[in-house]
Amino acid sequence: NAGVMQNPRHLVRRRGQEARLRCSPMKGHSHVYWYRQLPEEGLKFMVYLQKENIIDESGMPKERFSAEFPKEGPSILRIQQVVRGDSAAYFCASSPLGRAYSNQPQHFGDGTRLSIL
Amino acid sequence: AQKITQTQPGMFVQEKEAVTLDCTYDTSDPSYGLFWYKQPSSGEMIFLIYQGSYDQQNATEGRYSLNFQKARKSANLVISASQLGDSAMYFCAMREERRGTYKYIFGTGTRLKVLA
Repeated sequence: NAGVMQNPRHLVRRRGQEARLRCSPMKGHSHVYWYRQLPEEGLKFMVYLQKENIIDESGMPKERFSAEFPKEGPSILRIQQVVRGDSAAYFCASSPLGRAYSNQPQHFGDGTRLSIL
Repeated sequence: AQKITQTQPGMFVQEKEAVTLDCTYDTSDPSYGLFWYKQPSSGEMIFLIYQGSYDQQNATEGRYSLNFQKARKSANLVISASQLGDSAMYFCAMREERRGTYKYIFGTGTRLKVLA
């Protein structure tokens, strides 16, 4: 039973390019969360999605960042026109929904380390 | 206002000793969940332990236990018999429920160093 899969593990982009980060949730999980972690800091919530629906994007920067979770395929976090400050680790987590799963934690992927040159 | 507060940026503990990592939270919801995660230097997030707001007993998982004091809104992690492999960042998190969906809030973490 595969866990949360994120790819790529490492991504290098030049300033101004686009970065696409992918996340496939655990089987049976309908909710996906994206977090950003700067070096030596905690996880900052970015966005929370269900299939074809954004539940909460209160942590997303207003410009250049977008996320989707289509009916088929992985969730994508897209960063347009990247800048040096976007360098960070981006983690995806998934969870099932429903009171029956209330004692289930979020399961995390191994993260994508984004470096901007 | 911070919803999850971890006041210890760094902690040291001697191998084989017990250590307590502090976590306080703030919510007005009656139903919530509290989690601890470990992040070793390799970077992955490892789930350690869960406590539900209605749970009467403190959660335990092997060497990990959660000291849940609801009135104080604290959920401290206790690691017994520390091992060198316990050296890592530890994050406390709270899950709030809103209209059937869950949102997770993380603390800033505590870096634990176990000394030989």
